[in-house]
Amino acid sequence: DGGITQSPKYLFRKEGQNVTLSCEQNLNHDAMYWYRQDPGQGLRLIYYSQIVNDFQKGDIAEGYSVSREKKESFPLTVTSAQKNPTAFYLCASSIDFVSESNQPQHFGDGTRLSIL
Amino acid sequence: GNSVTQMEGPVTLSEEAFLTINCTYTATGYPSLFWYVQYPGEGLQLLLKATKADDKGSNKGFEATYRKETTSFHLEKGSVQVSDSAVYFCALKGGSSNTGKLIFGQGTTLQVKP
Repeated sequence: DGGITQSPKYLFRKEGQNVTLSCEQNLNHDAMYWYRQDPGQGLRLIYYSQIVNDFQKGDIAEGYSVSREKKESFPLTVTSAQKNPTAFYLCASSIDFVSESNQPQHFGDGTRLSIL
Repeated sequence: GNSVTQMEGPVTLSEEAFLTINCTYTATGYPSLFWYVQYPGEGLQLLLKATKADDKGSNKGFEATYRKETTSFHLEKGSVQVSDSAVYFCALKGGSSNTGKLIFGQGTTLQVKP
């Protein structure tokens, strides 16, 4: 079955520590995304990548970093500069990033990050 | 810029009741419209979509019609079940914004009681 795999499902971070969230897709999609979801709220875009070896900041990129060295992988690092990292993180992918395309984004099951 | 507004929740219904979750959008051009559903502790799943005016998306008993004249994409279901309890997100993509980003509404929580 094709899909998006996020790991781990739960992650705990100590103060001052960087942590990396994994996102892998086997859908052969060009575009990938990271969102943050806080309790009772909608989704906010952190970073996105239109194609391998390329990525752009979203609406709340401060304190986060990403890489896109392989088409299927888009890891997110939550750095110590992110002062309020406790949230639910969702990774998504889509066939393309063309505005005229009606192709939806497909989502993983998320990683819940908490501060110890 | 483009935006999506959903009715505030939570929406609480009894089983077998009729459901409407309102969604209106602001966008120029002809965006594609989507409804996603999020069950507790999970990611988002695409529920249905519509890509042009007067299109009706449908799936699992849910329906939504793309109304350009009222810039709306309201979600409806004739008879809800307890298993439909979830958060529902309306979203749009494209139009004249010239970006492949999805613009989400804030989500509407549905609680269905037996």
